[in-house]
Amino acid sequence: KAGVTQTPRYLIKTRGQQVTLSCSPISGHRSVSWYQQTPGQGLQFLFEYFSETQRNKGNFPGRFSGRQFSNSRSEMNVSTLELGDSALYLCASSRGLAGVSQFFGEGSRLTVL
Amino acid sequence: DQQVKQNSPSLSVQEGRISILNCDYTNSMFDYFLWYKKYPAEGPTFLISISSIKDKNEDGRFTVFLNKSAKHLSLHIVPSQPGDSAVYFCAAAGGATNKLIFGTGTLLAVQP
Repeated sequence: KAGVTQTPRYLIKTRGQQVTLSCSPISGHRSVSWYQQTPGQGLQFLFEYFSETQRNKGNFPGRFSGRQFSNSRSEMNVSTLELGDSALYLCASSRGLAGVSQFFGEGSRLTVL
Repeated sequence: DQQVKQNSPSLSVQEGRISILNCDYTNSMFDYFLWYKKYPAEGPTFLISISSIKDKNEDGRFTVFLNKSAKHLSLHIVPSQPGDSAVYFCAAAGGATNKLIFGTGTLLAVQP
């Protein structure tokens, strides 16, 4: 059974650009959650999508957005990139609404120069 | 407002000894707690969990203790092995949304 797949694994952008990250959940999983990991901040919850609807949202500015497609794949977008957006972005999927049974992907490492 | 806190950013332990990782939380609505382990360049993987109706859960070398009155949990690894070297995140869930709230992580280094 394939795990959670995130693409791209690494990318470098410059300030002001925008970026789109992709996440393919485990087959049969309908919930996808996104987290930002930075040193000293741990994993910070961005948002959760379930059946193409955003169900939960963390405390991030509107530059961070996401969506989920009918096949449960999800994308997150960050516009007008700032240096502080450099982080590892992790996606997790679960069969039902997220909570205690999430499986994580390997993450997308974003560097903003 | 950090609802889940891991106050030790790093911990170094000798192989064979006990590793104790600590986690504090502030939200009394949390009723389920988990520990995740993360190696570099990999996503976090689930390690062990505990429900608020218990005060201890054991799985092999890993034991999690929960002290609800102190809003504190700890992960004990006995005996520690070099392969245990990783970042350990505690996480809590509960309340209306049931979303996972993670701590900031503790980097464990087990010295051979």
